[in-house]
Amino acid sequence: EAGVTQFPSHSVIEKGQTVTLRCDPISGHDNLYWYRRVMGKEIKFLLHFVKESKQDESGMPNNRFLAERTGGTYSTLKVQPAELEDSGVYFCASSPMFGQGSYNEQFFGPGTRLTVL
Amino acid sequence: TQLLEQSPQFLSIQEGENLTVYCNSSSVFSSLQWYRQEPGEGPVLLVTVVTGGEVKKLKRLTFQFGDARKDSSLHITAAQTGDTGLYLCAGEEGAQKLVFGQGTRLTINP
Repeated sequence: EAGVTQFPSHSVIEKGQTVTLRCDPISGHDNLYWYRRVMGKEIKFLLHFVKESKQDESGMPNNRFLAERTGGTYSTLKVQPAELEDSGVYFCASSPMFGQGSYNEQFFGPGTRLTVL
Repeated sequence: TQLLEQSPQFLSIQEGENLTVYCNSSSVFSSLQWYRQEPGEGPVLLVTVVTGGEVKKLKRLTFQFGDARKDSSLHITAAQTGDTGLYLCAGEEGAQKLVFGQGTRLTINP
């Protein structure tokens, strides 16, 4: 079974440019999460999709970030315009639907390292 | 958002020694997960603990969830050089998102 994949693995852009990150979750996983790790800090939650719907976007830093999951399959995270502080590693994770009394095991992709110059 | 304090942040020991990594919070989590991350890769799930007081073993690794489900520990017995890596704890908040600790960078010297 293929794991979570992310594209690109690295991206170097200049301040003010636009970048779009893509995540392909494990097939059949309805839950899709975006996380980010900036230099020296812990991994932090950005948002959560259930199928194509945004369940929780409380971690999105500001309106320069836009996440979509059309058709409930892959997801994109667009940063426009990028700022220096957006540099970091962006992780995507997915998990299957889980029932009451169960717990949420998330499977992570390798991440996209974004550098804004 | 709940916070997780993970300690120590860095640990360097000799092969064959034992070690313990701690993950503490003032808040209760519905579950707590331990991950290991290698350079250039995403976190890989090692174990999930759910019940207060639960103990799980994975070969030489022992994971414990505190009785109040606020803290957890990872104990490695007779560490090997292959155990070198970044270990992360993450608490499940509201059955949705994960709250991560800062991680423990473990180095096992031959």
